[in-house]
Amino acid sequence: RKEVEQDPGPFNVPEGATVAFNCTYSNSASQSFFWYRQDCRKEPKLLMSVYSSGNEDGRFTAQLNRASQYISLLIRDSKLSDSATYLCVVNMRSGNTPLVFGKGTRLSVIA
Amino acid sequence: DGGITQSPKYLFRKEGQNVTLSCEQNLNHDAMYWYRQDPGQGLRLIYYSQIVNDFQKGDIAEGYSVSREKKESFPLTVTSAQKNPTAFYLCASSFGGAQSNQPQHFGDGTRLSIL
Repeated sequence: RKEVEQDPGPFNVPEGATVAFNCTYSNSASQSFFWYRQDCRKEPKLLMSVYSSGNEDGRFTAQLNRASQYISLLIRDSKLSDSATYLCVVNMRSGNTPLVFGKGTRLSVIA
Repeated sequence: DGGITQSPKYLFRKEGQNVTLSCEQNLNHDAMYWYRQDPGQGLRLIYYSQIVNDFQKGDIAEGYSVSREKKESFPLTVTSAQKNPTAFYLCASSFGGAQSNQPQHFGDGTRLSIL
C-alpha cells in the first residue's frame, strides 16, 4: 500500500457543484493531516489542517476517519477559481520523510 | 512581509557544473526543507534541517548537498553527480521540529534546467 494515495482525477465539474476527494494513508500512527492546493507551475499553499472532529472553512470541509485511515475534502458551490490540484499531506511519524505528500487530485471547474 | 524567498526563479546548468539554489525565511521557523517536483509527480524530499548546523537526508539526497549555518538560510547545491537535475525545486519551512504537527509553508520555487 502506498504511504499516501489519492485519485489523480481529473475531476471535471460544473460551477456550483459539490465535489469530494478522498485520500488514504498507510501509517495508523500518523498524527497530523493537511490539504494543500497547488496551481499550475506554482508552489503548494496550505488550504486547511484536518482535525479529528472534522473542520470547516467556508465552502471547504475536511474530515478524518482514523479507523479506515482516510481523510476527505468536500468543496461546496464550486467556483472557477477552485480549479487546481489538491494535495493530501500526512505526517507519517516514521522514516526519513516527516511529511508525505500525495501526488494530488486535479480539479477543473467548468463554466 | 514575512515569508520564504527562493532565488533564482529560473536557473540553467551546464553539464558538470554545480549550482546553488537559495532559500531564506524570516518567519523564525525552526525547520527547513527542500523538495523536488517532476512534471505530473508528487513532492519528494531531498534534505531537511531541524536546527542550525544539523540536517538529515530525505528520500532522494544523492547528488545534492545542503548547509544550515543560519536559522534563516538553507541553500541547496545541485552537484554534477545529480544526473537528472531538471525539475521544480521547492523550499519549505515550519515551526517546531520536522516531526511536529505544524504545516509547512513554501517558497515560490526555482525551475532548474540543463543546457
